Amino acid sequence: DGGITQSPKYLFRKEGQNVTLSCEQNLNHDAMYWYRQDPGQGLRLIYYSQIVNDFQKGDIAEGYSVSREKKESFPLTVTSAQKNPTAFYLCASSISAGELFFGEGSRLTVL
Amino acid sequence: KQEVTQIPAALSVPEGENLVLNCSFTDSAIYNLQWFRQDPGKGLTSLLLIQSSQREQTSGRLNASLDKSSGRSTLYIAASQPGDSATYLCAVEDGYGQNFVFGPGTRLSVLP
Repeated sequence: DGGITQSPKYLFRKEGQNVTLSCEQNLNHDAMYWYRQDPGQGLRLIYYSQIVNDFQKGDIAEGYSVSREKKESFPLTVTSAQKNPTAFYLCASSISAGELFFGEGSRLTVL
Repeated sequence: KQEVTQIPAALSVPEGENLVLNCSFTDSAIYNLQWFRQDPGKGLTSLLLIQSSQREQTSGRLNASLDKSSGRSTLYIAASQPGDSATYLCAVEDGYGQNFVFGPGTRLSVLP
């Protein structure tokens, strides 16, 4: 089945650690996105990529990093510089100017 | 900067009622508008996509309309069912086709 796979579903991080969230899609979509969702708030864009080896900062990129070495993969690293990383992280993809599709999300908790 | 709002924030209705969810946006220069459903702890499921040249889309009991000039979209749910209980979000794709801006969502409860 075509879709977007995020892993892990749940992740715990200690203070000062970097963690990486995986996002893989087999929809042959060019564009991929990372969003952060906090309780009672809408989704906020962290990073997006329209093409391999290129990505752009979103509204809340500080403390995060991404790479886009393959069309199918767009991993997100939450660095120790992100002061409040506990949140629900959602990966999405789309064709250019087309429908947006989401993965099931990864919940990150800082211990 | 594009801003998206949704009214009401929460809604509780008895089963069988028809209902309307509202989405407003501040910049009418949009590509697409998309409605999503989110169940607790899950990702977003796409319900309907309205492209900028369209005025409405229908899927089963759902109908979404778009009025770009007034910056509004409505999602109409006919004959609501308990399984429709979820949070409904709208998102607009900016005029450059590069970014989606989301509303905060409407939390719907359909009571049996």
